[in-house]
Amino acid sequence: NAGVTQTPKFQVLKTGQSMTLQCAQDMNHNSMYWYRQDPGMGLRLIYYSASEGTTDKGEVPNGYNVSRLNKREFSLRLESAAPSQTSVYFCASTGFRGTYEQYFGPGTRLTVT
Amino acid sequence: GDSVTQMEGPVTLSEEAFLTINCTYTATGYPSLFWYVQYPGEGLQLLLKATKADDKGSNKGFEATYRKETTSFHLEKGSVQVSDSAVYFCALSLRGGTSYGKLTFGQGTILTVHP
Repeated sequence: NAGVTQTPKFQVLKTGQSMTLQCAQDMNHNSMYWYRQDPGMGLRLIYYSASEGTTDKGEVPNGYNVSRLNKREFSLRLESAAPSQTSVYFCASTGFRGTYEQYFGPGTRLTVT
Repeated sequence: GDSVTQMEGPVTLSEEAFLTINCTYTATGYPSLFWYVQYPGEGLQLLLKATKADDKGSNKGFEATYRKETTSFHLEKGSVQVSDSAVYFCALSLRGGTSYGKLTFGQGTILTVHP
């Protein structure tokens, strides 16, 4: 099992460009999440999907959109990138085993110039 | 709202030293508590967890006890190794309702262990 995979691993964008970060899990998990990691701030939740067909905003959703394509895939889109979106982005999933343990992907390092 | 506060870092230790990383939380409900570890260039991995008061989570020599009375979940290890150098995150998740397993993280503590 690959667990949670993310593509790309690195990306450089110019201000105003758009891109989609891809995430897939092969653990048959119901819920998936997108976080961003910034120095000194831990991880902050951008959007989540409690189950296939649903998405909801997290703590810092402005400037992002998401799509839960199917049970396996959950993508994050930046429509018009800004330098403030320079960050490391992590996708995670959980299967509600009672302790809500989340499994994380390796991350995407995004730089917006 | 819910929040997690970790001791400020970075923490620098010599090999075989004792480690403590403090973590306190505030939560509107009854949370599950977690410690995640992030090695350089990698994603987060679950290190240990506890789901109710007085539970002790343990893994790879690390331990943490869920203390409801002090709202704390401090991470300890008796003898650290160079390979323990990483960033450590304390986190909580509320169970049930509309929480959907969302994690609230502390800011992370960078640990560096020297030979």
